[in-house]
Amino acid sequence: GAGVSQSPSNKVTEKGKDVELRCDPISGHTALYWYRQSLGQGLEFLIYFQGNSAPDKSGLPSDRFSAERTGGSVSTLTIQRTQQEDSAVYLCASAPGPGLAGSYEQYFGPGTRLTVT
Amino acid sequence: AQSVTQLDSQVPVFEEAPVELRCNYSSSVSVYLFWYVQYPNQGLQLLLKYLSGSTLVESINGFEAEFNKSQTSFHLRKPSVHISDTAEYFCAVSDRVGGYNKLIFGAGTRLAVHP
Repeated sequence: GAGVSQSPSNKVTEKGKDVELRCDPISGHTALYWYRQSLGQGLEFLIYFQGNSAPDKSGLPSDRFSAERTGGSVSTLTIQRTQQEDSAVYLCASAPGPGLAGSYEQYFGPGTRLTVT
Repeated sequence: AQSVTQLDSQVPVFEEAPVELRCNYSSSVSVYLFWYVQYPNQGLQLLLKYLSGSTLVESINGFEAEFNKSQTSFHLRKPSVHISDTAEYFCAVSDRVGGYNKLIFGAGTRLAVHP
């Protein structure tokens, strides 16, 4: 079956512009996670969705970052007024819901490489 | 707060030699432990996991890791590496409180296998 997909695969944007990154999880996976992979900070958790709700947003680095999920499926991570330090690979992962078999196994997408110039 | 330390940023090794990638974690609660692998220009793939039960876990491609609670370690080993094992390896921990799997990653270890 199809895995986690993310789009775009690469995004170059000018400082100050807004960007939207998309994640399509594996069908039926109700848990969705966003992570960021950067040279300086390594792999960092950003936000967790269960269905359309985000009970843990603790990793979002600033109020310029927001995310939503609709229909319990697609998620969008939005970065407003991008800064150079936002340059990173943004990874999305999905998993079965809590308590379900395999719920502790996250399946990662290929990532979106964001470059802010 | 939980943290994960991967003691080696890079590990060069010759083909068919054994290798150990070290991982230590800090946590005051029970944890789940994972090793993920990232091949060049590819995404993260789960290599193996410890959830409960036997402290020795194995992957399908010959890697194994042992959960040591007293030493808070989860080192990854392979008795004989191949060129194709060249990749970056990430150790990760998630706590068992909260009902979901927020992963805290180590900084990664780049394994370079030379002929």
